[in-house]
Amino acid sequence: DQQVKQNSPSLSVQEGRISILNCDYTNSMFDYFLWYKKYPAEGPTFLISISSIKDKNEDGRFTVFLNKSAKHLSLHIVPSQPGDSAVYFCAAVGYGMNYGGSQGNLIFGKGTKLSVKP
Amino acid sequence: DVKVTQSSRYLVKRTGEKVFLECVQDMDHENMFWYRQDPGLGLRLIYFSYDVKMKEKGDIPEGYSVSREKKERFSLILESASTNQTSMYLCASSLYREITEAFFGQGTRLTVV
Repeated sequence: DQQVKQNSPSLSVQEGRISILNCDYTNSMFDYFLWYKKYPAEGPTFLISISSIKDKNEDGRFTVFLNKSAKHLSLHIVPSQPGDSAVYFCAAVGYGMNYGGSQGNLIFGKGTKLSVKP
Repeated sequence: DVKVTQSSRYLVKRTGEKVFLECVQDMDHENMFWYRQDPGLGLRLIYFSYDVKMKEKGDIPEGYSVSREKKERFSLILESASTNQTSMYLCASSLYREITEAFFGQGTRLTVV
């Protein structure tokens, strides 16, 4: 059963416009979320994160919004650039018995492939 | 800068071979992880370790084992490689047990023929 869901496998936007990538989760115990960007044949690189005590975190062109009641988060990229074209993964930090006990663990969604067209 | 280094970018192995994937991190991180990435399936956790000689199973441990004899090194072992283990393997590390960030290696593309 998927705990972190990225329901859009792909997204295409025009350069300069806003990209919005969505992520839903099912476990209300998740309290920290991260976004990663991945180019083909490379490892994921950390983009931005958010704690459940916040509803927004901003870093340059990247903003992550968290709606705890809806168990939903989104990554906004403004303005989008062709170099942003990559696969974006949402991840939640899980604890507890299903995730190795007190040890934290990263649970990833399936990713969304973003294409930014010039 | 944190560096997570995986020993090989590309590997081709034969069915039935024992395969070792090595990962080294240089920032004294407590936690290390092995994931595999497959199209349409995202990143799935195979094993992780939060201390030397400690290991925990992830979501898909079958057919794999791990070793962590030193804090900086986490090895993934395919005891008898099979074609369904053809994948991109990603190692990651994070500093604290309460994860706020994790750093990934460049990945190993393993092909089992």
